[in-house]
Amino acid sequence: DVKVTQSSRYLVKRTGEKVFLECVQDMDHENMFWYRQDPGLGLRLIYFSYDVKMKEKGDIPEGYSVSREKKERFSLILESASTNQTSMYLCASSYFRETGVETQYFGPGTRLLVL
Amino acid sequence: GEDVEQSLFLSVREGDSSVINCTYTDSSSTYLYWYKQEPGAGLQLLTYIFSNMDMKQDQRLTVLLNKKDKHLSLRIADTQTGDSAIYFCAESYSGYSTLTFGKGTMLLVSP
Repeated sequence: DVKVTQSSRYLVKRTGEKVFLECVQDMDHENMFWYRQDPGLGLRLIYFSYDVKMKEKGDIPEGYSVSREKKERFSLILESASTNQTSMYLCASSYFRETGVETQYFGPGTRLLVL
Repeated sequence: GEDVEQSLFLSVREGDSSVINCTYTDSSSTYLYWYKQEPGAGLQLLTYIFSNMDMKQDQRLTVLLNKKDKHLSLRIADTQTGDSAIYFCAESYSGYSTLTFGKGTMLLVSP
């Protein structure tokens, strides 16, 4: 079974702090994704990566950056956390399929509270 | 732009059928998906349908696709309390690895 793990289930940080959210997958997937989930807004894509050291902006990249130094690990960085970044953060991974079907495997999420 | 719309809430009684609906705007979608999110967990893929299909059945799940109206539905037969979750509709395009998700429908199943 594919396993996607996230470093913390719950995190409390103060405004202005630098925050690292870590995600690790164990199935050698090329693609990794970071989403945030907010009530009434669903899932919104922040950043994604097709390969090591590659990154692409999603729909809401402002205030975030990412790092993919190893294939299995994808980090989301909040350079200076703000209260409007309080949210549930979900990591996902997938691999290229010739059929074109995109099956993403999700981690359990990190609930971040910025005070 | 791409947009996927769902109703936000559905309540049914155990044993009834549930139908969750979704509309999408981009006719070039290649695949359409249903993901399920149980409380406190990430999303998991339930089923998907290729855009040239009308229907797909998988045990208690039936997916119907009306491409002309850009309407997708998920029917859950004999709904159980364990089916209570948020259900997300999503779309993708061949050759691209990103998904566009709807806002999710919360299904509440009462005994």
